[in-house]
Amino acid sequence: DQQVKQNSPSLSVQEGRISILNCDYTNSMFDYFLWYKKYPAEGPTFLISISSIKDKNEDGRFTVFLNKSAKHLSLHIVPSQPGDSAVYFCAARSGNTPLVFGKGTRLSVIA
Amino acid sequence: GAGVSQTPSNKVTEKGKYVELRCDPISGHTALYWYRQSLGQGPEFLIYFQGTGAADDSGLPNDRFFAVRPEGSVSTLKIQRTERGDSAVYLCASSRDSSYNSPLHFGNGTRLTVT
Repeated sequence: DQQVKQNSPSLSVQEGRISILNCDYTNSMFDYFLWYKKYPAEGPTFLISISSIKDKNEDGRFTVFLNKSAKHLSLHIVPSQPGDSAVYFCAARSGNTPLVFGKGTRLSVIA
Repeated sequence: GAGVSQTPSNKVTEKGKYVELRCDPISGHTALYWYRQSLGQGPEFLIYFQGTGAADDSGLPNDRFFAVRPEGSVSTLKIQRTERGDSAVYLCASSRDSSYNSPLHFGNGTRLTVT
């Protein structure tokens, strides 16, 4: 049973536009959420996180939004750049339990 | 500074053989995690260590899998009697500690292929 779901396997966006990656979760005990970015043949790299006590966290071009009632979070990248092309993983945890990952969304930013 | 280092980067082995995968965490990081990523899937938790002890090994699929971290730094994931279904990328990550807001830093993984 997937506790963290990324229902879009892929997304294609034009350079300069906004990329929106979505993630849903089922476990109401999750209280910390993270996004990781992965290039081929490399390990996932931490991008941004949000605690369940917040509904938004921003870091440069990256913003994560959390909607606890809907058990939904999203990652916004604006403006999108070709170097953002990668697989993005949503992850969640409850307290200090190990991270649970989604299956990932492959983002392609077209120049 | 140096990141998480995993060796070997690739390992091909025959069904039934024993393999060891090594992880060198970031210096000073007390928590160490092993994940496995199969094609088209996200990383799947196997085991994590806080210091030398396994704090949670609930993700190990069966008793063929075992991991150690004897001195609280380097860790080795050991797989006995490998099966073709064990083929995956094995990812190691470390974090400053196991607190909830301590991000995991991943290595580049070991791609294991069981023929």
